[in-house]
Amino acid sequence: DGGITQSPKYLFRKEGQNVTLSCEQNLNHDAMYWYRQDPGQGLRLIYYSQIVNDFQKGDIAEGYSVSREKKESFPLTVTSAQKNPTAFYLCASAQRDRGYTGELFFGEGSRLTVL
Amino acid sequence: GNSVTQMEGPVTLSEEAFLTINCTYTATGYPSLFWYVQYPGEGLQLLLKATKADDKGSNKGFEATYRKETTSFHLEKGSVQVSDSAVYFCALSEETSGSRLTFGEGTQLTVNP
Repeated sequence: DGGITQSPKYLFRKEGQNVTLSCEQNLNHDAMYWYRQDPGQGLRLIYYSQIVNDFQKGDIAEGYSVSREKKESFPLTVTSAQKNPTAFYLCASAQRDRGYTGELFFGEGSRLTVL
Repeated sequence: GNSVTQMEGPVTLSEEAFLTINCTYTATGYPSLFWYVQYPGEGLQLLLKATKADDKGSNKGFEATYRKETTSFHLEKGSVQVSDSAVYFCALSEETSGSRLTFGEGTQLTVNP
């Protein structure tokens, strides 16, 4: 079945460590996104990519990094510079042809806890 | 900039009650409007959308009408079920921002039998 796979589902990290969250999609979508979800704050955009080898900062990019070497993959690294990394992270993708419609397809999320 | 404001939650209803979740927006242009739903432990799914003023989006018994004059996109359902318990997010997207969505805070809905 087509969809978006995020891994791991749960991750624990010690302070000062970098961690990479995986996001893979087999929907052949051009655009991919990373959102952070905190209680009572909705979703905030971290990074997005509309094409391979290109990506842009979202609203809260500080302390995060991404790469887009393949169309189907958009990993997110949470670095030690991120001051409050404990959160639920959601990856999404969108089709580009016929213009963007705003319809995103989401993965099931990765919950990161910093100990 | 763009913003979306949803009614504060959580909302608790009995089965078969009428549901309204308010959503208002601020945008510089002519956005498309969306409702997404997040069931426990899952990612978000698109529930319905409307791309221009006076359009009505509908799905699974839920409806929302794009009201440009009041900059609103309220979600309604005539008779909720226990299975509707979830978090509901209102969102907007403008052409100039591609498929970059701006989300509201989310409203937790709990439906009791």
